[in-house]
Amino acid sequence: GAGVSQSPSNKVTEKGKDVELRCDPISGHTALYWYRQSLGQGLEFLIYFQGNSAPDKSGLPSDRFSAERTGGSVSTLTIQRTQQEDSAVYLCASSGGQETQYFGPGTRLLVL
Amino acid sequence: GENVEQHPSTLSVQEGDSAVIKCTYSDSASNYFPWYKQELGKRPQLIIDIRSNVGEKKDQRIAVTLNKTAKHFSLHITETQPEDSAVYFCAAIKFGNEKLTFGTGTRLTIIP
Repeated sequence: GAGVSQSPSNKVTEKGKDVELRCDPISGHTALYWYRQSLGQGLEFLIYFQGNSAPDKSGLPSDRFSAERTGGSVSTLTIQRTQQEDSAVYLCASSGGQETQYFGPGTRLLVL
Repeated sequence: GENVEQHPSTLSVQEGDSAVIKCTYSDSASNYFPWYKQELGKRPQLIIDIRSNVGEKKDQRIAVTLNKTAKHFSLHITETQPEDSAVYFCAAIKFGNEKLTFGTGTRLTIIP
């Protein structure tokens, strides 16, 4: 079956603009995660959705970052008033309750 | 919360030799430990995992060992090949939590 997909694959934006990143998890997976990975760095946890429960937002770096998950499937990560330090690869992952997370290909965000 | 430490941060080995990457975790309740491999410019992919009810698991040239008492687990790659060059991440999770805590990664370079 289809894996986790993300769009766009690359995004270049100007400082101060808002961006939306999309994640389509594996069908039937109840858990969805967003991570940020700066060049050559590790995986920084951002936010976690599990079914209809309130999301775990403990990793969001500032109030410019928000995410939603509609209908328990597709998720959108929004970054408002982007800054140059927001430049990174944003990875989405989903899990079907077996602990194993499957990652999407990521969105490479460049803020000029 | 859980804290996972990973060592070394970089590792270079001669082709054909073995490589070992070590991780320690803090939460004794953690019971699932996956390892991910991330090749340059690609998404992290699960390569092997182990649950707390076993001490060792092997898959061809890759093996993982777990010492619950000492709260550490290790990835062993034997007969290394150039395609093993990548960044490897360990992680730990408590069943029912589903929020993986990742180590900081090890950049493995295989020298031909």
